[in-house]
Amino acid sequence: EAGVAQSPRYKIIEKRQSVAFWCNPISGHATLYWYQQILGQGPKLLIQFQNNGVVDDSQLPKDRFSAERLKGVDSTLKIQPAKLEDSAVYLCASSGRVGRSGTYNEQFFGPGTRLTVL
Amino acid sequence: DAKTTQPPSMDCAEGRAANLPCNHSTISGNEYVYWYRQIHSQGPQYIIHGLKNNETNEMASLIITEDRKSSTLILPHATLRDTAVYYCIVRSNFGNEKLTFGTGTRLTIIP
Repeated sequence: EAGVAQSPRYKIIEKRQSVAFWCNPISGHATLYWYQQILGQGPKLLIQFQNNGVVDDSQLPKDRFSAERLKGVDSTLKIQPAKLEDSAVYLCASSGRVGRSGTYNEQFFGPGTRLTVL
Repeated sequence: DAKTTQPPSMDCAEGRAANLPCNHSTISGNEYVYWYRQIHSQGPQYIIHGLKNNETNEMASLIITEDRKSSTLILPHATLRDTAVYYCIVRSNFGNEKLTFGTGTRLTIIP
């Protein structure tokens, strides 16, 4: 079974530019998550979708970050304009089928996109 | 904020058992203990979870104290591929509650 796919794997931009990340979750997974992981820290949830609706976006800096999951499958996370402190790895995860844990809410993570803002 | 406390780093000799502790003194009755690990340049990966009984799977064993205020993840025969950051997370199993990661324990397996 294919895992969570993300692209690009790496991105370097200058501050004030915009950037977009793409995520394709595991087929059939209804829930999709975007996490931000700053170097040396654990991942922090930015936004959670259930199908194409937002469940939790309390930690999303909405003045510059936006995310959408229009057809309840793929998702895009955008930053506009980027700041230096946005340099991080952006992880996408999905859940919705029983995994090794025996539960429906086991999260499967993609490899992430490493963003560097200069 | 994370509800768990873990040592920042540990070393373990290859082939020995790696025992990773976690304190979760404020855990509530409906919260499970989950363990994930993150190998360098990869996303986190589920290892094991439990409520109050000890659990074992093909990757690891989870020992939860009777008062549920702490737990230990055991990798019985550590290999170099087990070098990673290990995260202990408490979470309810209702709906799709988010994972709240702390800074984890960086485990280094020494050849």
